[in-house]
Amino acid sequence: EPEVTQTPSHQVTQMGQEVILRCVPISNHLYFYWYRQILGQKVEFLVSFYNNEISEKSEIFDDQFSVERPDGSNFTLKIRSTKLEDSAMYFCASSQAPRIITEAFFGQGTRLTVV
Amino acid sequence: AQTVTQSQPEMSVQEAETVTLSCTYDTSENNYYLFWYKQPPSRQMILVIRQEAYKQQNATENRFSVNFQKAAKSFSLKISDSQLGDTAMYFCAFMKPYNTDKLIFGTGTRLQVFP
Repeated sequence: EPEVTQTPSHQVTQMGQEVILRCVPISNHLYFYWYRQILGQKVEFLVSFYNNEISEKSEIFDDQFSVERPDGSNFTLKIRSTKLEDSAMYFCASSQAPRIITEAFFGQGTRLTVV
Repeated sequence: AQTVTQSQPEMSVQEAETVTLSCTYDTSENNYYLFWYKQPPSRQMILVIRQEAYKQQNATENRFSVNFQKAAKSFSLKISDSQLGDTAMYFCAFMKPYNTDKLIFGTGTRLQVFP
């Protein structure tokens, strides 16, 4: 069964460093998403991406964050200068069509720890 | 703004028994979608069931069913004949049907099924 894969499963980085979280969506999917969950808190939407553009972003997704699809298969989330409060589980998701037309499939997450 | 509340951080149930997970939400929208997602330990989050607010009939998927009370803004998940594989974190989520790609999640309920 096709699935969304995320690497690495756990990343530790020093405050102020740049980090790139990687996702390989399901191959025929066109819509991509990032969510995050700070420990003990809600899963929060960060951004959605379609046709090489951001289609929606939350207030969390500030200038420190960026996304791109560099090679047609990977979908990456970059945090330019990490802060302690960026420590969270980051989930990538993809879907064939937007919104609720089809199901969004999630990866198992990357746990980011900023020290 | 929409919010989703799951008031049970942890639940447990014996195998073969029935368990109900609670979810309430707040919205001024009349039409929307509600979801239950399951995240087994160290695995991807997967969609269990979804409900469209304009449909009065409660959604059912095999052993999983919902009790959707629109006036009360309540969306509980009932798991019948619980199995060990149902052990997971369960997230309730809300989505508007237009102008957004964003799922709004609750904090989750950790369900343990024991033999």
